Amino acid sequence: SQTIHQWPATLVQPVGSPLSLECTVEGTSNPNLYWYRQAAGRGLQLLFYSVGIGQISSEVPQNLSASRPQDRQFILSSKKLLLSDSGFYLCAWGEGGMNYGYTFGSGTRLTVV
Amino acid sequence: GDSVTQMEGPVTLSEEAFLTINCTYTATGYPSLFWYVQYPGEGLQLLLKATKADDKGSNKGFEATYRKETTSFHLEKGSVQVSDSAVYFCALSLGAQKLVFGQGTRLTINP
Repeated sequence: SQTIHQWPATLVQPVGSPLSLECTVEGTSNPNLYWYRQAAGRGLQLLFYSVGIGQISSEVPQNLSASRPQDRQFILSSKKLLLSDSGFYLCAWGEGGMNYGYTFGSGTRLTVV
Repeated sequence: GDSVTQMEGPVTLSEEAFLTINCTYTATGYPSLFWYVQYPGEGLQLLLKATKADDKGSNKGFEATYRKETTSFHLEKGSVQVSDSAVYFCALSLGAQKLVFGQGTRLTINP
């Protein structure tokens, strides 16, 4: 069966420090992969999605970036964190068809101090 | 553009009450529709879905019917429990790449 792993679960980072969040998927090949952010008490904001290795689409201009170095690995990065980057980051994968929806990871709570 | 609108939260109910969370959508084609649930501190889980008009999705006592004529997909449950307390997200999918989510509705059930 397919599983999705996301880590770390929680992270406290100072302003200006770098960030790397990792997401891996097992049990499927060539998945569509997504990074979402959920600010406190708010909805989901799509940050990036990828339909294949090295293919990244950005939805929102910001100081974050994403990479997909392997088929089932999706990384969210920043060179210098801002206070406004605090939030709950969710990775998800989808089979690519419109009827299937997504499977989400358990999330990373990032607090920038 | 395509969008999903959910009823404003938070919603607070007593145990065994009837639940309705409204969801309406705007889309240029015929989307698939989804309800996701997020329990405190966790990621989202797919609760139910419907892929064409008049389909009814159901799971764990929750139901939602795809109404093309009113562009709606309201979530209902006949008797809620404390364990149903969570944030509920309505979403639509039109193409291969992206789901569009509503803003979420926080539900609290009091014993």
